[in-house]
Amino acid sequence: QQPVQSPQAVILREGEDAVINCSSSKALYSVHWYRQKHGEAPVFLMILLKGGEQKGHDKISASFNEKKQQSSLYLTASQLSYSGTYFCGTERSGGSNYKLTFGKGTLLTVNP
Amino acid sequence: DTGVSQDPRHKITKRGQNVTFRCDPISEHNRLYWYRQTLGQGPEFLTYFQNEAQLEKSRLLSDRFSAERPKGSFSTLEIQRTEQGDSAMYLCASSLVWILGQEFNEQFFGPGTRLTVL
Repeated sequence: QQPVQSPQAVILREGEDAVINCSSSKALYSVHWYRQKHGEAPVFLMILLKGGEQKGHDKISASFNEKKQQSSLYLTASQLSYSGTYFCGTERSGGSNYKLTFGKGTLLTVNP
Repeated sequence: DTGVSQDPRHKITKRGQNVTFRCDPISEHNRLYWYRQTLGQGPEFLTYFQNEAQLEKSRLLSDRFSAERPKGSFSTLEIQRTEQGDSAMYLCASSLVWILGQEFNEQFFGPGTRLTVL
């Protein structure tokens, strides 16, 4: 089952914060976050394993609530370079195949 | 080696023709994945290899699609008798599963091959 991302789109001014959510109806082993700019390949941001850990680097961080099968990506003090489509990819718990099922994406636009 | 490479970057073909795409993963990565992405959608899993073994194929993958990874290095994806519905971006990704006993599955994507079927 495809994870559901929200919101579908968000527009920010430079310096503002945003939260992107990803939820699944299935038990998850991990959640992967990617950013894709138009015409380019998805770029890996971070992976979160079950256990409720939170990760981050620079001004982008993420959390994973294993009980709710939800992950959130936090972008603080957004920069113009953050613009793009953000995808979460989920890996189901109990599976050993490592394939990812991606959501439809969240289009983030950061304006000056 | 700076990343996953794919060739060609663009392919335009007529319906009914066969096409083949190539993917060169990051050299030390033992897993290789093929995904397909259409406009406004996230990547959709097609198949994956661990070394030279093809371990899973999506049920969405028709018999017209075949993938190989001889010797566990580069991989090819062939589409026979292409249809207009095959038009999409075909993405390849690779990952290194185990490092010093710890499991990783960060998948790094190549630039993709954009297929247009006329």
